[in-house]
Amino acid sequence: GAVVSQHPSRVICKSGTSVKIECRSLDFQATTMFWYRQFPKKSLMLMATSNEGSKATYEQGVEKDKFLINHASLTLSTLTVTSAHPEDSSFYICSAARLDTQYFGPGTRLTVL
Amino acid sequence: RKEVEQDPGPFNVPEGATVAFNCTYSNSASQSFFWYRQDCRKEPKLLMSVYSSGNEDGRFTAQLNRASQYISLLIRDSKLSDSATYLCVVSQNTDKLIFGTGTRLQVFP
Repeated sequence: GAVVSQHPSRVICKSGTSVKIECRSLDFQATTMFWYRQFPKKSLMLMATSNEGSKATYEQGVEKDKFLINHASLTLSTLTVTSAHPEDSSFYICSAARLDTQYFGPGTRLTVL
Repeated sequence: RKEVEQDPGPFNVPEGATVAFNCTYSNSASQSFFWYRQDCRKEPKLLMSVYSSGNEDGRFTAQLNRASQYISLLIRDSKLSDSATYLCVVSQNTDKLIFGTGTRLQVFP
């Protein structure tokens, strides 16, 4: 099946710093990637849709200036959490669409101290 | 009301048991339906799509009732390795997936 990677798998940072998470589709090209966030015991929630070569589409309530998304190529999308705070601590998961299926990356666990 | 509702469980069943999970969705415009499996602290993985006619994949059977906006997953002959959280997922298009909070299954020896 299709493979999607994420890096880093885990990051711990101080409040106020920015964190960049990479999502790569390893064996296929993805014009569309998605960024989700999952808090403990909660549903995965779509944050934004990342479109190659154009601006991302953010879901209601997600601050585009805080969660910067760049989809520079057909195999790479990045999410930057700017000025992270403890309430941003969560499990961030990306996915890439291939045909009618979304393939998920392994996730990045962010802990902001 | 949540868009996708599931009983969080946990369902604790012995090996070999048959277990069923249910899910309801609120948006009648939903077009696609899936069951995903998520292991602890891991990403969700597609278990199976759900079709109107119902479909089976080995020990797993999924059914959809559009009139009642209800989806089910039946697992027969449960294995220890089936222990996970099962996520009901609906979509109005191929882009936006709406996830339920999941039903936790624990299979014991």
